[in-house]
Amino acid sequence: GAVVSQHPSWVICKSGTSVKIECRSLDFQATTMFWYRQFPKQSLMLMATSNEGSKATYEQGVEKDKFLINHASLTLSTLTVTSAHPEDSSFYICSASPLPREFASTDTQYFGPGTRLTVL
Amino acid sequence: AQTVTQSQPEMSVQEAETVTLSCTYDTSENNYYLFWYKQPPSRQMILVIRQEAYKQQNATENRFSVNFQKAAKSFSLKISDSQLGDTAMYFCAFMNTNAGKSTFGDGTTLTVKP
Repeated sequence: GAVVSQHPSWVICKSGTSVKIECRSLDFQATTMFWYRQFPKQSLMLMATSNEGSKATYEQGVEKDKFLINHASLTLSTLTVTSAHPEDSSFYICSASPLPREFASTDTQYFGPGTRLTVL
Repeated sequence: AQTVTQSQPEMSVQEAETVTLSCTYDTSENNYYLFWYKQPPSRQMILVIRQEAYKQQNATENRFSVNFQKAAKSFSLKISDSQLGDTAMYFCAFMNTNAGKSTFGDGTTLTVKP
């Protein structure tokens, strides 16, 4: 149990285009999903907290209009990188926390496999 | 704000031996969770072990165990009988029960040598 998928696993795009990354919890429901960014050999940097049915909460320094987050259902959150530029190239990881009573360890984040974004 | 510190950027251990990874954290909260995650070269984050702050007993999962010292705000990970597949980056993480979001340390790259 507690499987999280991400799609696509990797994407290459031209500068100025927008890219959408999907994060799905496959066998549980999650009211909260998190989006992280990770540079090579560095830690995970939390970008935003995605709440089902409401606006995402962004961390300080993260541009809301640049990184659009939508959490339309209890199993799907999307991150759209708008007008991507080479400096947006990175590894993006999502995680999800199960609803209470779904699993014994509800206060645990389960991670997707990540999406490697390369902007040319 | 919470902080998590992993003071060992890199470590190595011989196969079948034991290694301990260090983690300290700072918080004013009383209820929280602590985690160790493993990130192998595939970059998939894998939960290794979880500790509730209100539990005095140290968590164990097969070859993995923690030494949780709440007063000292220390949470080290011990890997026994190290295997080649344990080679990965290991992250210590703190999660506040109210906020739900986690704070990660900078990671320790562990190499298990044959």
